[in-house]
Amino acid sequence: NAGVTQTPKFQVLKTGQSMTLQCAQDMNHEYMSWYRQDPGMGLRLIHYSVGAGITDQGEVPNGYNVSRSTTEDFPLRLLSAAPSQTSVYFCASRASGGPNEKLFFGSGTQLSVL
Amino acid sequence: DQQVKQNSPSLSVQEGRISILNCDYTNSMFDYFLWYKKYPAEGPTFLISISSIKDKNEDGRFTVFLNKSAKHLSLHIVPSQPGDSAVYFCAASDQETSGSRLTFGEGTQLTVNP
Repeated sequence: NAGVTQTPKFQVLKTGQSMTLQCAQDMNHEYMSWYRQDPGMGLRLIHYSVGAGITDQGEVPNGYNVSRSTTEDFPLRLLSAAPSQTSVYFCASRASGGPNEKLFFGSGTQLSVL
Repeated sequence: DQQVKQNSPSLSVQEGRISILNCDYTNSMFDYFLWYKKYPAEGPTFLISISSIKDKNEDGRFTVFLNKSAKHLSLHIVPSQPGDSAVYFCAASDQETSGSRLTFGEGTQLTVNP
């Protein structure tokens, strides 16, 4: 049981390049989300999904796109990378049912935009 | 504005003593609170949680206390062990979104010295 798998672990981009951060979970979780972690800022929610075909914006959605075509996958797209998007990105999932269900996090993707 | 605040970026304690990590919040709609622990190069993992209808929840060496009137919660670790050295994040969920949007604090780096 792999849990939440994120790829790649590290990525360096040039300003203006695009890329997709992959996230997959094998726990049949309905809820999936993306966070970014920056020094002194904690974890901030980018986008989330409560099920296939349903996505919504979090606290810092600008510059990012998501889609949820299957229960297992929730990719995060950067259409035109900017240095402000240099961060560590975490994907997380949980079973549906509310806040008492704990989040399971992937191991993160460290992204640098030059 | 930071709705969940952890004012101590770091805390150092001796092995065997008590560690107390603090968290303050401003949003009175928050009704569920969680603590996550994060080791370097790993994703956060769930530690303990508390509903706003309680003032204390205990799980082994970990106890979370909630003071709703002061909008303050704390995590007590007794006795502290070197393996507890990690970054601890406080998180909160509000009634309106039923846990879809967790708000995290900035994190506190705990170091337990042998």
